[in-house]
Amino acid sequence: EVQLVESGGGLVQPGGSLRLSCAASGFTFSNYWMNWVRQAPGKGLEWVANIQQDGSEKYYVDSVKGRFTISRDNAKNSLYLQMNSLRAEDTAVYYCARERSYGHGFDYWGQGTLVTVSS
Amino acid sequence: QSVLTHPPSASGTPGQRVTISCSGSSSNIGSNTVNWYQQLPGTAPKVLIYSNNQRPSGVPDRFSGSKSGTSASLAISGLQSEDEADYYCAAWDDSLNGYVFGTGTKVTVL
Repeated sequence: EVQLVESGGGLVQPGGSLRLSCAASGFTFSNYWMNWVRQAPGKGLEWVANIQQDGSEKYYVDSVKGRFTISRDNAKNSLYLQMNSLRAEDTAVYYCARERSYGHGFDYWGQGTLVTVSS
Repeated sequence: QSVLTHPPSASGTPGQRVTISCSGSSSNIGSNTVNWYQQLPGTAPKVLIYSNNQRPSGVPDRFSGSKSGTSASLAISGLQSEDEADYYCAAWDDSLNGYVFGTGTKVTVL
């Protein structure tokens, strides 16, 4: 059974940093593109970033470029999102999602982890 | 960056057919496949339709998807109370080099 379990969310002050993790199981992690998608309270879904199977290719939404870094460790079946210079507008539930194949959407999602940026 | 647009809401009585539209452009829906996600209250999204019109195993055949040009649609036939949820379309955007989601449609069963 495919499972994606996010962790690392919490309360952080504006300008602070946080690192999210996503532990994957039930499939060959190194075969898939992986993504982070977020949802601000009461709002819609927003794609944040994705990363190729070997980590060589990465893409980001404009609003996080230069502040967030997506990475992965295939030996640990884990996906990460390093978030720096956090802003109030980054407050959201962050979901880890497996990409069916490049450009073809997400077939499995984690349960999400809440990040709150507030003083 | 919601560049795909939905109607904000849709509703129907049990058993009715409801259709949700999703409008995009040549850089997203016009050149890439469309996926639809269902988000029940308080839960993570779940894929409902992939590659424009394919249903994952376990998704009832009451749900169907289609795409034409730069628009797509999701149809729910035989509406049931458990279909009350938010529905989002999504596609890769070649200009933005990223996925774009629709604004979301809240379906209410009257």
